[in-house]
Amino acid sequence: GAGVSQTPSNKVTEKGKYVELRCDPISGHTALYWYRQSLGQGPEFLIYFQGTGAADDSGLPNDRFFAVRPEGSVSTLKIQRTERGDSAVYLCASSTHSGSGTDTQYFGPGTRLTVL
Amino acid sequence: AQSVTQLDSHVSVSEGTPVLLRCNYSSSYSPSLFWYVQHPNKGLQLLLKYTSAATLVKGINGFEAEFKKSETSFHLTKPSAHMSDAAEYFCVVSLLAAGNKLTFGGGTRVLVKP
Repeated sequence: GAGVSQTPSNKVTEKGKYVELRCDPISGHTALYWYRQSLGQGPEFLIYFQGTGAADDSGLPNDRFFAVRPEGSVSTLKIQRTERGDSAVYLCASSTHSGSGTDTQYFGPGTRLTVL
Repeated sequence: AQSVTQLDSHVSVSEGTPVLLRCNYSSSYSPSLFWYVQHPNKGLQLLLKYTSAATLVKGINGFEAEFKKSETSFHLTKPSAHMSDAAEYFCVVSLLAAGNKLTFGGGTRVLVKP
């Protein structure tokens, strides 16, 4: 079946602009996660959705970052007034939610964001 | 709080020789532990996971890892490296109490020499 998809694969923008990054999770997965991977580092958690609601947004670096998942499927990560430090690969993952803490997260290919 | 330390940022091995990637974790509670692999310009792929069942976990492509609670370690091994194993490997911990969000180590880049 289809895996997690993310669009666009690459996004180049100018400092100060607004960007939206989209994630399509695996069908039926209720949990959705966003991570950010800076060059040479491991991914870092940003936000977690269970269904339509953000269950944990403790990883969002500041209020320029916002994410939504209005129908419990597709999610959009929104970044306002982009800064050069926002340049990174943004990864989306989805999983089932068994409540056991052992669910595997399946990752999309990522969106590479470059802020000039 | 939970954290993961990968003890080697780079590992170089010859094809056909064993691979050892070291990982230590810190967690207040019983964690779930994972190893993911990331090939260049490709997404993260799960190699294996430990979820409090057998302490020796077998994964894909001949990899395995052993959970040692007394040493807070979860080292990844493979008896014989293949050229296709060249990639970056991440040791990862998650906690049910933390909403299953994953905490990644810094990664180990594996180079396989012919």
